[in-house]
Amino acid sequence: AQSVAQPEDQVNVAEGNPLTVKCTYSVSGNPYLFWYVQYPNRGLQFLLKYITGDNLVKGSYGFEAEFNKSQTSFHLKKPSALVSDSALYFCAVRDGGTGFQKLVFGTGTRLLVSP
Amino acid sequence: GAGVSQTPSNKVTEKGKYVELRCDPISGHTALYWYRQSLGQGPEFLIYFQGTGAADDSGLPNDRFFAVRPEGSVSTLKIQRTERGDSAVYLCASSLTLAGAWTGELFFGEGSRLTVL
Repeated sequence: AQSVAQPEDQVNVAEGNPLTVKCTYSVSGNPYLFWYVQYPNRGLQFLLKYITGDNLVKGSYGFEAEFNKSQTSFHLKKPSALVSDSALYFCAVRDGGTGFQKLVFGTGTRLLVSP
Repeated sequence: GAGVSQTPSNKVTEKGKYVELRCDPISGHTALYWYRQSLGQGPEFLIYFQGTGAADDSGLPNDRFFAVRPEGSVSTLKIQRTERGDSAVYLCASSLTLAGAWTGELFFGEGSRLTVL
């Protein structure tokens, strides 16, 4: 089965500094990878996805993610963090083969951006 | 409304009782998903529907859990003989298929928080 791992429970960064939230994956076949964000008292929101093409994927709110096949990683990045980026971030992978449309999520990483 | 709507937002029940959780997806979205999120965990897949049929129910933990989507829109997750371990936030999401291709973008509701005492 496909899976993702998020090794950090929490990431702390100062506002204005670059941020990275880590994700590694384990898949058979081509990976379909996603990042979602969960703000307090809000539903999960899609940030970005990698299916094929450029290894650097750009998404919402200035976030981007880098797909690295040799390291089986899909880290989320942002050049300059904002306090409003503080939230829970989930990496996810599509499970199953073609025609399967469900996502398997990681355990989440809490991002805290301090003023 | 414009988004995925889930009711109730909070449900407190006693062990052994029956519970129904409702999800109203975004209009036109053919796929509908139920996930369960326990404290400190990521969303755990339960079941997904394509139209009226359950395309994959492999995540339902046991036969106390059942979900329906009779008209291909609103879905109800039903939990019989609730147990304390069923306490969690139950998330519903919907997604669109464009020209036969899955976009991978799930639109989530705010969830139904179930507490079993």
